[in-house]
Amino acid sequence: DQQVKQNSPSLSVQEGRISILNCDYTNSMFDYFLWYKKYPAEGPTFLISISSIKDKNEDGRFTVFLNKSAKHLSLHIVPSQPGDSAVYFCAASVSGTYKYIFGTGTRLKVLA
Amino acid sequence: GAVVSQHPSWVICKSGTSVKIECRSLDFQATTMFWYRQFPKQSLMLMATSNEGSKATYEQGVEKDKFLINHASLTLSTLTVTSAHPEDSSFYICSAAYTNEKLFFGSGTQLSVL
Repeated sequence: DQQVKQNSPSLSVQEGRISILNCDYTNSMFDYFLWYKKYPAEGPTFLISISSIKDKNEDGRFTVFLNKSAKHLSLHIVPSQPGDSAVYFCAASVSGTYKYIFGTGTRLKVLA
Repeated sequence: GAVVSQHPSWVICKSGTSVKIECRSLDFQATTMFWYRQFPKQSLMLMATSNEGSKATYEQGVEKDKFLINHASLTLSTLTVTSAHPEDSSFYICSAAYTNEKLFFGSGTQLSVL
């Protein structure tokens, strides 16, 4: 039972354009969400978070949108840069537990 | 962000031996740490929750006698893979609970059991 899903295993985007990575969840108890970036053989690096009391959070080039009714969140990267090429994971938890369930990841490739 | 140190980053061992992996929070105290496992091209699977001063909580399907977790201080948790076998070969990652719902991750340990 995959509670957090990232249905696109890979995405290619031209440098300077917008990258949109999607994430769906099934557990309505989840109320805190994180996005991480990961390179092979390294630990994930925290990017941005969002609480269910918000529908948008922005940090520089990264914006996360949350649609609670659809149980869907997305990460927007604008403008995309070649250094953004990595695997992106979304993760969801019930606040206070720190017990995050991770999606399967989306490999982003930004083309120069 | 907070720093979590994990080592070794890579270990090769013979089948039947035990391997210990350390996870340290360098600039903050972490009462709770987590251990994950990742197979190639798959997601991070939570193995166990490590609580300082108490027994770890294991996820369903994870053998507690195979994966021993010790969280003896507020800055150190260890994972020992006992009597390792080739099927235990994987990428193991720890994380530490920080404030405001955030997790910070170690750099991971690639375990190869021959």
